[in-house]
Amino acid sequence: DADVTQTPRNRITKTGKRIMLECSQTKGHDRMYWYRQDPGLGLRLIYYSFDVKDINKGEISDGYSVSRQAQAKFSLSLESAIPNQTALYFCATSEIAGHNEQFFGPGTRLTVL
Amino acid sequence: GEDVEQSLFLSVREGDSSVINCTYTDSSSTYLYWYKQEPGAGLQLLTYIFSNMDMKQDQRLTVLLNKKDKHLSLRIADTQTGDSAIYFCAPGAGSYQLTFGKGTKLSVIP
Repeated sequence: DADVTQTPRNRITKTGKRIMLECSQTKGHDRMYWYRQDPGLGLRLIYYSFDVKDINKGEISDGYSVSRQAQAKFSLSLESAIPNQTALYFCATSEIAGHNEQFFGPGTRLTVL
Repeated sequence: GEDVEQSLFLSVREGDSSVINCTYTDSSSTYLYWYKQEPGAGLQLLTYIFSNMDMKQDQRLTVLLNKKDKHLSLRIADTQTGDSAIYFCAPGAGSYQLTFGKGTKLSVIP
């Protein structure tokens, strides 16, 4: 079984709809991250969480919110989706100790029409 | 914040060596990573180098680090079609943050 899973893998929605992307991990890591990937722009950090009570904004948090329901679960919400939020979204985890290697989920491809 | 620059495309013939270059701006980067993204998949850590090293070799992969010039490179020897992917340079600054380059798409010609 994959260590970092994301649901759904693909989603098409309409402008103005609320969308939630979910991430679960079995690695026992405290740190979790949400990134978006756009062609030619690489990965940009949306939010990160060091533990259940610690949530931080990343580079591009506007239009997004997150919830850390448990150590293993970190959800990303788009309250009112807009077309320029069409992208590939990745969840990642890392442990506190060590050199911050991040482990990525398979991604969610979101299309906002 | 950190700026990370990579060329967007590289095309090589099967069996040749590939060299992917990366420049970054934050001299405090402690660990510098290379991630590989295959089509339709997430990112996988390929290798990394600690900032007090200038070279690391791992089978077909060689990472070179020039801290003075803030230049990182990844050499893949005997490149195979299975190496076709996007490669991301990601310097690690601070205790949690990785800044990713835009990625270099490597195409291997049979």
